[in-house]
Amino acid sequence: DAKTTQPPSMDCAEGRAANLPCNHSTISGNEYVYWYRQIHSQGPQYIIHGLKNNETNEMASLIITEDRKSSTLILPHATLRDTAVYYCIVRRLTGANSKLTFGKGITLSVRP
Amino acid sequence: DAGVTQSPTHLIKTRGQQVTLRCSPKSGHDTVSWYQQALGQGPQFIFQYYEEEERQRGNFPDRFSGHQFPNYSSELNVNALLLGDSALYLCASSPDRGYQETQYFGPGTRLLVL
Repeated sequence: DAKTTQPPSMDCAEGRAANLPCNHSTISGNEYVYWYRQIHSQGPQYIIHGLKNNETNEMASLIITEDRKSSTLILPHATLRDTAVYYCIVRRLTGANSKLTFGKGITLSVRP
Repeated sequence: DAGVTQSPTHLIKTRGQQVTLRCSPKSGHDTVSWYQQALGQGPQFIFQYYEEEERQRGNFPDRFSGHQFPNYSSELNVNALLLGDSALYLCASSPDRGYQETQYFGPGTRLLVL
């Protein structure tokens, strides 16, 4: 699976949009981009995933650049409960249920 | 609908002992994956079970073994515990439909080896 690079940390004000970047310059055509988050000492929580089109669900939006070498997870109105470690993961498309390869993620701190 | 459940929530063992952790997958899921998360690190894949067989394995020694039961629940066994085995152990479940499926995680079991 391709490697991802994320800044170690960022913060944003409550109520504002949080834009979390991820670089995956070696991604191949058969790999998805997944995002999970982990609130302190809990299990990772699935947020969203995409292949090449932008995706949106009730939690977040995922914007993937046209060359697919980077992506941005957008939390439109961050709350204090969104403070967590966010993991960007590249996962191959083919085969069944391949493993998730986590990096260190980015720690998002939402300030009041 | 109950999500992925794990037991126990916390466990303290001493070096050399053996431990068994348990996982019940989300309803409708037949594939169980186990991950180890050391403090300050991201989760690392241990292995995955499907149809009661180990289907994939990460870079973990044979001291780590598992089992899956006919009801899809799973156990992770660790023998000859080392101090370095202290970690949060996570179970994730997913359905197997022949293509990539989202894995959903349980709350984890925190193991402390003294």
